[in-house]
Parts: sequence; C-alpha cells; structure tokens
Amino acid sequence: AQSVTQLGSHVSVSEGALVLLRCNYSSSVPPYLFWYVQYPNQGLQLLLKYTTGATLVKGINGFEAEFKKSETSFHLTKPSAHMSDAAEYFCAVSEDSSASKIIFGSGTRLSIRP
Amino acid sequence: DADVTQTPRNRITKTGKRIMLECSQTKGHDRMYWYRQDPGLGLRLIYYSFDVKDINKGEISDGYSVSRQAQAKFSLSLESAIPNQTALYFCATSTARGAPRDEQFFGPGTRLTVL
Repeated sequence: AQSVTQLGSHVSVSEGALVLLRCNYSSSVPPYLFWYVQYPNQGLQLLLKYTTGATLVKGINGFEAEFKKSETSFHLTKPSAHMSDAAEYFCAVSEDSSASKIIFGSGTRLSIRP
Repeated sequence: DADVTQTPRNRITKTGKRIMLECSQTKGHDRMYWYRQDPGLGLRLIYYSFDVKDINKGEISDGYSVSRQAQAKFSLSLESAIPNQTALYFCATSTARGAPRDEQFFGPGTRLTVL
C-alpha cells in the first residue's frame, strides 16, 4: 500500500525567503510523485511530477522538488517566496505513470508574511 | 471555457435529502474520479471510472453512488445525505496513455453542506 506524509500542516515564511515543504512517501513499487497546489476557492493544479530519470524536477512558478529514494522523500522548494505563493500544497504518490490512482497527503498550507 | 466543470458550485441541503453532484469534461479523457476534501485529511477517493462501463469504489464509497452517463459526464449521488458528508467535492479526469505528462485535471469543486 502507498501512503504520503506531509510534515507540517501550516508553514509560514517571509516574502523573499526560502520555501521548504516536506513530503515523505511509502511505496512497495517505484513511485510516481506529484505536487499539486490549490489556490483559495479553486481546484487543484499540478505543480510538478516525478516519473523516472532526473531526480530534481522543475515545475511551474519557480518550484522544484528532489526525489531521494534513500530518504523516501520528495520535498518541495522555492528559493524566494512571493505573496502569490500563498496556497495549500498537496504531495501525492501513484503506482503508475498514467496518474490513475493517486494517494494524496493531508496538505500543507503556506502563508507568506510581507 | 473550463475543461472540467462541476455543478452546483455550492449546495446546502438537509439530512435525509437526495443530492446529485454533476461533473462534465471537454478534455476527451476516459478516466474520471470523485474526491472529497476535508480539512486536515487531504483528498480521499470516493469512486473512479476508467470508461463508461467501468465503475470502481474508492477509499470511502459508503453512502455514495455514481453514474457515468457518457464519456464526458460523471455524477455523484448522496442517496440520503448526512451531516458528516459536509465537505468539498472534486471531480477529476485523466488519460490512460502512461505518458510522462499524464496528470489528473481537477474541476473547481462543489461545496456541500448538510444540515
């Protein structure tokens, strides 16, 4: 069975500071990993996705995540936070590349301080 | 125009009422999903459908039913709504190509309140 643990339900950073959202996964097969973002009153949209190959994945809006198999982690980072990054972020895992059965983490709400 | 639409966007109902939430998509995807989102719990899968004749239960299907009327339409029903079904409900779609860019595309959500 697969599972995802997001450490910290709420993270607050200052504008311009580093953003680090933590995600650990459990999977019995090579995982496909995702980060989704949900802006207020909107649905989820894909930030980035790891399938195979390069372990550092770049996504939209300056976000990136690194797949570390030895640590079973897929942390999301952005060098410099912007006010528009305030949202809820979900880490997710799937067994297959078609993204058909995705298990979501509980989410991390990111707040940006002026 | 949105690729995945959900109606209604907001609904308040009473315990025991039958409710239907509708989802339509113009993406041409075969696969459709219904999730519910609760604070602190993330998204949990209720039902999913890989094509019109294929319906599968997800993690939390009790108290819900679905209908896949066409490739583009997937409805979620609450036969007798109860207050703990108050949540934000999302429809999503995906393809089955297995390509690196495959992802699930989400609708805007339906906020359901059961009094």
